[in-house]
Amino acid sequence: DAGVIQSPRHEVTEMGQEVTLRCKPISGHDYLFWYRQTMMRGLELLIYFNNNVPIDDSGMPEDRFSAKMPNASFSTLKIQPSEPRDSAVYFCASSLYFGRQELNYGYTFGSGTRLTVV
Amino acid sequence: DAKTTQPNSMESNEEEPVHLPCNHSTISGTDYIHWYRQLPSQGPEYVIHGLTSNVNNRMASLAIAEDRKSSTLILHRATLRDAAVYYCILGNFGNEKLTFGTGTRLTIIP
Repeated sequence: DAGVIQSPRHEVTEMGQEVTLRCKPISGHDYLFWYRQTMMRGLELLIYFNNNVPIDDSGMPEDRFSAKMPNASFSTLKIQPSEPRDSAVYFCASSLYFGRQELNYGYTFGSGTRLTVV
Repeated sequence: DAKTTQPNSMESNEEEPVHLPCNHSTISGTDYIHWYRQLPSQGPEYVIHGLTSNVNNRMASLAIAEDRKSSTLILHRATLRDAAVYYCILGNFGNEKLTFGTGTRLTIIP
C-alpha cells in the first residue's frame, strides 16, 4: 500500500484565495482525520470521519474551513477565503476501527501539505 | 479527554537504551495508552499501544505501571534515526480521536 497520500505537498497562495487540500486514505480504513500543526499550537485535530460521515468537527476553527469525504477513497479540506494565520502544515491520517485490535497499527499519517498564505 | 504529562525534552547516547516516561494519573479503565513519534519534517508515526500488560513490537517496548497511572516507552538501542518528538496519548473504544499534546523531544548524541 502506498500509504496515505496528500496533495499538494506545498501550497503558496494569496490572502483571500480558496485553497483545497486533498487526501487519499489507506484502502479499507474506517476513519479519516484532518490535523493542523503549527509551532504555537502543536497538532490540532480539525475534523474526523467514520465511514465517510463527519463525526466531530469541533476543531474546525471557523466557517471558512470545510471538509468533505464524498467516498471512501477521497477527502478534501477547503479554506475559503484563506488568511495568513491559516499558514501551517495540514496532515491527513486514516485508521481502522480501534476495536479491530489484531489488525490495528494506529493512525497512518500522510506526509502533510505545507500551506503558506501571503 | 484524560491528560498525559511528559518531559519537554530528553537526551540519550547512541546505542544505549532510552526510557521515555509518561504520567496519566486520571486514566480511566477503558483508556488505552498510545505512543506516536514525529521525525523531523514528517507526519507522526505509530509506535505502540497497550492497555494493562507490557507490550513489545519491533520498534519499542511499552511498560505500564500496575496502577496504570504511568507508563514508559523503551527504545532498546537508540540510533540517530530515533531522534524525534514522542507523544503519549490516551484513547478508548468508541472515541477514536486522539488528542496530541506537546510530547518529549528526544535528542540522540552520537
